[in-house]
Amino acid sequence: DIQMTQSPSTLSASVGDRVTITCRASQSISRWLAWYQQKPGKAPKLLIYEASTLESGVPSRFSGSGSGTEFTLTISSLQPDDFATYYCQQYNTYWTFGQGTKVEIK
Amino acid sequence: QVQLVESGGGLVKPGGSLRLSCAASGFSFSDYNMNWIRQAPGKGLEWVSSIRGRGSTIYYADSVKGRFTISRDNAKNSLYLQINSLRAEDTAVYYCARPRLGWYFDLWGRGTLVTVSS
Repeated sequence: DIQMTQSPSTLSASVGDRVTITCRASQSISRWLAWYQQKPGKAPKLLIYEASTLESGVPSRFSGSGSGTEFTLTISSLQPDDFATYYCQQYNTYWTFGQGTKVEIK
Repeated sequence: QVQLVESGGGLVKPGGSLRLSCAASGFSFSDYNMNWIRQAPGKGLEWVSSIRGRGSTIYYADSVKGRFTISRDNAKNSLYLQINSLRAEDTAVYYCARPRLGWYFDLWGRGTLVTVSS
């Protein structure tokens, strides 16, 4: 099974900050990675797929990069609506999610 | 309107059973693989099961294999999850999710809560 490990687990930041979340796969997954945003009591929302392709309607301050086993999600200038939990998900072999990164207000 | 609506959750005793349903609308249901994904309270997301559009191929996470059964009725635009031999660790919100191209999930329901407790 492919394991996905995100870091950090929690991130404290201020509005306007540049934020980076890392996701590592236990084996190569090429670029078969997606990122989701989840707010309390809500279903996850797709942000990025194929490691770096922005989903339609997602603000351009979100970006993704990486391939193989190491990936990053970057928010270029954190906005109040961005405080949430973010998950990576591999779809190279079945489906596995990272444990999540909570972005909280500093 | 393109949407997924889950139902069937509730409070169940350990060892009990439950059948979850997911009603799809606004898209050609039979053209899509469908999945169940769960989230224990305060925890992360866990993929549970997947079924191909025609129901020909099914996958399960090891944690539920042998206890959960996924099925679908394309005539009713509905997805199901039969969950048996429930354990406390099965307590979670269960989401129905549609994968685009079969891989990443672009449409989610609101979820249905299953609580396993005596």
